[in-house]
Amino acid sequence: DVKVTQSSRYLVKRTGEKVFLECVQDMDHENMFWYRQDPGLGLRLIYFSYDVKMKEKGDIPEGYSVSREKKERFSLILESASTNQTSMYLCASSLGTGRTGELFFGEGSRLTVL
Amino acid sequence: GQNIDQPTEMTATEGAIVQINCTYQTSGFNGLFWYQQHAGEAPTFLSYNVLDGLEEKGRFSSFLSRSKGYSYLLLKELQMKDSASYLCAVRVPVRYNTDKLIFGTGTRLQVFP
Repeated sequence: DVKVTQSSRYLVKRTGEKVFLECVQDMDHENMFWYRQDPGLGLRLIYFSYDVKMKEKGDIPEGYSVSREKKERFSLILESASTNQTSMYLCASSLGTGRTGELFFGEGSRLTVL
Repeated sequence: GQNIDQPTEMTATEGAIVQINCTYQTSGFNGLFWYQQHAGEAPTFLSYNVLDGLEEKGRFSSFLSRSKGYSYLLLKELQMKDSASYLCAVRVPVRYNTDKLIFGTGTRLQVFP
């Protein structure tokens, strides 16, 4: 089975802190994605990557950056956390360079920024 | 712009049939996915349509009409465990050979005994 693992299920951070959310997949997928999920807004795409060291802005990239140094790992970085970044963050991966196939999601990281 | 619409909530009775609609207006279209998400869990894949028509998979079926920008997910013989959110997602092109998934806000289905 495909496994997408997110490093932390729950995090509490203070405004202005730098936050790292890590995601690792074990199925050699080319594509990896970061979404945030908020009530009434659904899943919104923050960044995605279709190859090592490649990254693409999604629909809401402001305030975020990403890193993909290895194929299996995709990190989301909040340079200076703000309260409006309190959310559930979901990482996903899929086969196929560039072309998004079926997404396999991690369990999510619930971030609270105080 | 990109717009995907689904009803916010639906209720149904165990053993019944329910249809969850999804309409979309997107800049390009490379296919439509349905995902199921139980409360507190990650979304899981249910179905994928890229051509017009009905795709059946056990108790679940998904229909697509590209000309109408419309899809539905049909759940038959409802069970209590089908209580979940159902997410419609459209694959839209970013540029040649690259696309991304855009999600609707999801439909929360409650199944009652």
